[in-house]
Amino acid sequence: GESVGLHLPTLSVQEGDNSIINCAYSNSASDYFIWYKQESGKGPQFIIDIRSNMDKRQGQRVTVLLNKTVKHLSLQIAATQPGDSAVYFCAENNSGGSNYKLTFGKGTLLTVNP
Amino acid sequence: NAGVMQNPRHLVRRRGQEARLRCSPMKGHSHVYWYRQLPEEGLKFMVYLQKENIIDESGMPKERFSAEFPKEGPSILRIQQVVRGDSAAYFCASSPRTSVSYEQYFGPGTRLTVT
Repeated sequence: GESVGLHLPTLSVQEGDNSIINCAYSNSASDYFIWYKQESGKGPQFIIDIRSNMDKRQGQRVTVLLNKTVKHLSLQIAATQPGDSAVYFCAENNSGGSNYKLTFGKGTLLTVNP
Repeated sequence: NAGVMQNPRHLVRRRGQEARLRCSPMKGHSHVYWYRQLPEEGLKFMVYLQKENIIDESGMPKERFSAEFPKEGPSILRIQQVVRGDSAAYFCASSPRTSVSYEQYFGPGTRLTVT
């Protein structure tokens, strides 16, 4: 996978493979992180979240890993399916500040080949 | 329970015209957030409103942009005298209370094109 930067990174995987999407965040005060999935023409859809007192959280087919030392977040998708094709965004939040204000990364386009 | 509704889904305006974007929050939600998304970028926070109140408009341009959430009816994001740089997707999210971020549910967006 590629880290979010100044362009839209792209990750192409085969159906059934595992996918890893990376995100670097900049605000060391952020203590809450969310991964969103955005399909073409739709709004962001919540996938999974993690608080800064954790380093790993698992959902259904998805795992989020948080490394606060290097300010890095990753989303792992197991057994990737064609329906997983979308742009994936990480978002961060500082609950000590405005706990409703999300700061989004620029996204990674995941393409799943059948 | 219907999700967040936005209309129109697509809006084309000529430079100098006004754009009005509407957002109906989920049933039972009284908090609305507007975000803007430029092509190949993440969403950027614009404004947070509760019924009849603007709570935080720190992300909204000072000129030409305004937002309201009246007691009755949808929230409106209004852009006066649009310019080409206003072309973007505008997303609305709603929550049942002043929420931690995960409780924000997003609508499908309005794609504004300024010609």
